[in-house]
Amino acid sequence: AQKVTQAQTEISVVEKEDVTLDCVYETRDTTYYLFWYKQPPSGELVFLIRRNSFDEQNEISGRYSWNFQKSTSSFNFTITASQVVDSAVYFCALRGASGSRLTFGEGTQLTVNP
Amino acid sequence: GAGVSQSPRYKVAKRGQDVALRCDPISGHVSLFWYQQALGQGPEFLTYFQNEAQLDKSGLPSDRFFAERPEGSVSTLKIQRTQQEDSAVYLCASSLQGAAPKKLFFGSGTQLSVL
Repeated sequence: AQKVTQAQTEISVVEKEDVTLDCVYETRDTTYYLFWYKQPPSGELVFLIRRNSFDEQNEISGRYSWNFQKSTSSFNFTITASQVVDSAVYFCALRGASGSRLTFGEGTQLTVNP
Repeated sequence: GAGVSQSPRYKVAKRGQDVALRCDPISGHVSLFWYQQALGQGPEFLTYFQNEAQLDKSGLPSDRFFAERPEGSVSTLKIQRTQQEDSAVYLCASSLQGAAPKKLFFGSGTQLSVL
């Protein structure tokens, strides 16, 4: 069975603060993929990143960065210098190598206040 | 349009009614997924199509749920004899790739309220 845990239900920060969203996963697969999606108030989920289990390099894309640590089964997401437009629900998700379905965490509601 | 389109955006049904939710994926996308998202929760997988073939329907919660994609493009999710616990947002997603797609494109969902 696969499981994704996002322990932070809600986070509130002031604009320009850095914020880290935590994600911990469980899987028996040796090959798997981890994802982050953003869900703004409009409802559609927007793909942010995919990492495979063999690539533990951290990744940076603009103000976004991701820290994948296989030893602790974590895939954390950091937003640097947060902006009001970053306010959304963020979901971490997991997919096994052989399947197509995503297993999502319960999401973290991020509010960035001006 | 350029994105995944779902209709209706909102649907209110009386308990026991049948409903049909429509998904128009991005043109040419091979894979199509349905997810159910309860309030305050993450999406949960319902079913998956590759072209017109329904390859995985293990997430459908009961035999009242039925999905089809007869021509490999538009898909319909049908719920028979709706119950209050069916109230949720139903999300459709599509991908250009077949098996194990890298990136899913989601629609804005249909919010179903069963009274």
